[in-house]
Amino acid sequence: GAVVSQHPSRVICKSGTSVKIECRSLDFQATTMFWYRQFPKQSLMLMATSNEGSKATYEQGVEKDKFLINHASLTLSTLTVTSAHPEDSSFYICSAPIGGRSNQPQHFGDGTRLSIL
Amino acid sequence: SQKIEQNSEALNIQEGKTATLTCNYTNYSPAYLQWYRQDPGRGPVFLLLIRENEKEKRKERLKVTFDTTLKQSLFHITASQPADSATYLCALDDTGGFKTIFGAGTRLFVKA
Repeated sequence: GAVVSQHPSRVICKSGTSVKIECRSLDFQATTMFWYRQFPKQSLMLMATSNEGSKATYEQGVEKDKFLINHASLTLSTLTVTSAHPEDSSFYICSAPIGGRSNQPQHFGDGTRLSIL
Repeated sequence: SQKIEQNSEALNIQEGKTATLTCNYTNYSPAYLQWYRQDPGRGPVFLLLIRENEKEKRKERLKVTFDTTLKQSLFHITASQPADSATYLCALDDTGGFKTIFGAGTRLFVKA
């Protein structure tokens, strides 16, 4: 069964809306989680590393004020896309590595398809 | 510049044959390399991890090789089945293991 649960699976909303995506680790604690964005037929692009109890680490070119990440507990990280616009439409996926280091296998959520009209 | 290259063209093979997918990388020195399977509209699923000091790793019908001299990994599926049809991603660790970088994947179609 799934070890990382991501919700919602699909969001369609109007431009200017803020959208929150949840990523939960089931049956294990995740001090670190990763948020990725994927465009069709392209690789997963790491957006940020979510750290429990501290600020997220954002990749170059990712606006931290646009993509707010909160990792308030050992099993939950949230990504909020603020004032979303059509160019933010994409497939967003979270993951949690077993053991907390990215060179260990990662368990991925099933992604959130975000469509901004 | 740093690159991970997987064949962007889809691989079409007949059921029962061995599928071989390639992952080449440039300007990385990974300690680990991983392979994942991704189905349309789903998150990737971990398949195999191979370390830099391992030449080969097997799991059931899957086999992965890792050549640090050639900077290449090969992923084999023997006795392929239509259910093996998916996109396969290779991934390697960067910056001392704090990040995982993914290739764009190769789409595999296995025909019955």
